[in-house]
Amino acid sequence: DAGVIQSPRHEVTEMGQEVTLRCKPISGHDYLFWYRQTMMRGLELLIYFNNNVPIDDSGMPEDRFSAKMPNASFSTLKIQPSEPRDSAVYFCASRPTGGGTYEQYFGPGTRLTVT
Amino acid sequence: GEDVEQSLFLSVREGDSSVINCTYTDSSSTYLYWYKQEPGAGLQLLTYIFSNMDMKQDQRLTVLLNKKDKHLSLRIADTQTGDSAIYFCAESRAGGFKTIFGAGTRLFVKA
Repeated sequence: DAGVIQSPRHEVTEMGQEVTLRCKPISGHDYLFWYRQTMMRGLELLIYFNNNVPIDDSGMPEDRFSAKMPNASFSTLKIQPSEPRDSAVYFCASRPTGGGTYEQYFGPGTRLTVT
Repeated sequence: GEDVEQSLFLSVREGDSSVINCTYTDSSSTYLYWYKQEPGAGLQLLTYIFSNMDMKQDQRLTVLLNKKDKHLSLRIADTQTGDSAIYFCAESRAGGFKTIFGAGTRLFVKA
């Protein structure tokens, strides 16, 4: 298995532009999580989906952030308009319903820089 | 509430043992984890322990759980430069709908 795939790996954009981050979970995993990592705030859970349905979006910082999961193999996190304080590494993770340990499998992350 | 706390930095010499500590607040935690993040990569599960266990050993890794004090530790024996990474403590409840992560401890290993 290729693991969780995220694209792009790096994104540099100007303030005010729309940014879309993409994630392909591991096949058969029905939970998908979006996290943001910064030096100041550590690892923050933004939103998670179960069977393509958003379950908890309480971590989404504000209305500029939105996430979708149109099917079991694809999810997007969109920031519109972007601001410099959104600069961070964004991780996508997935896991199956069973498995015993509830281990999450992380993608390599997208490093976002907003200038 | 749910909270996981850990120290931010640890520096050790190569060959010494490293001990990374963590405290959590959720008494109903069922699974406790240590994830490792290497530079430029995502987190990867290193080891885990069920809440009904006190200790788990896996090669150079020893996990100790004090459920009464809600304290979790990770000991790495014979620490190598390749162990330099960020180590995240995490917990989840039965069902594991979401996992609560600590801020991560950055381990520096000096040659």
